[in-house]
Amino acid sequence: EVVMTQSPATLSVSPGERVTLSCRASQSISNYLAWFQQKPGRAPRLLIYGTSTRATGIPARFSGSGSGTEFTLTISSLQSEDFAVYYCQQYNNWPPWTFGQGTKVEVK
Amino acid sequence: EVQLVESGGGLVQPGGSLRLSCAASGFTFSNYEMNWVRQTPEKGLEWVSYISDSFSTIYYADSVKGRFTISRDNAKNLLYLQMNSLRAEDTAVYYCVRHSRSYPFYFEYWGQGTLVTVSP
Repeated sequence: EVVMTQSPATLSVSPGERVTLSCRASQSISNYLAWFQQKPGRAPRLLIYGTSTRATGIPARFSGSGSGTEFTLTISSLQSEDFAVYYCQQYNNWPPWTFGQGTKVEVK
Repeated sequence: EVQLVESGGGLVQPGGSLRLSCAASGFTFSNYEMNWVRQTPEKGLEWVSYISDSFSTIYYADSVKGRFTISRDNAKNLLYLQMNSLRAEDTAVYYCVRHSRSYPFYFEYWGQGTLVTVSP
């Protein structure tokens, strides 16, 4: 099973700041990595797949990068609606499909 | 518009059973692979089960193997999860999740979730 590790667990930021979230896989997953955003009481929403491809309707301020075992989600200028929990997920080695434990982006 | 609507959650005693349903609309259900994913505050997001579009391939997480059964009715656009021998650790919000259309298949659309609580 591929273990996904996200850091940090919590990020306190101000609107307008640039935000970088990290995700590490316990073994190479090529570029088969997705990022999800989840707000309280809502289902996760796909942001990015294939490490760097934005899903339909996702603003350009969200970008992803990386390969192998190290990945990054960047929000170029944090908006108020971006405060949420972000999860990474690998879909290279399955089953099982595995998720990171999440990074909470909160107001500073 | 793709819609996935789960139902069937509720309170059940340990050892009991529950069947979850997921009604799909806005796409050709029979063309897509589907999953159940659950979420708890303690363990986060956990993939539970997968079924291929043609029913030919099914997978389960080790934590539910032998107790849960995934199935689908392509004529009715419905996905199911039959949960037996429920345990306290099965308490979670359960999401119905659709794969993308093309390989490599990622988790593209999620339902709103249904809460399952296993407690005496």
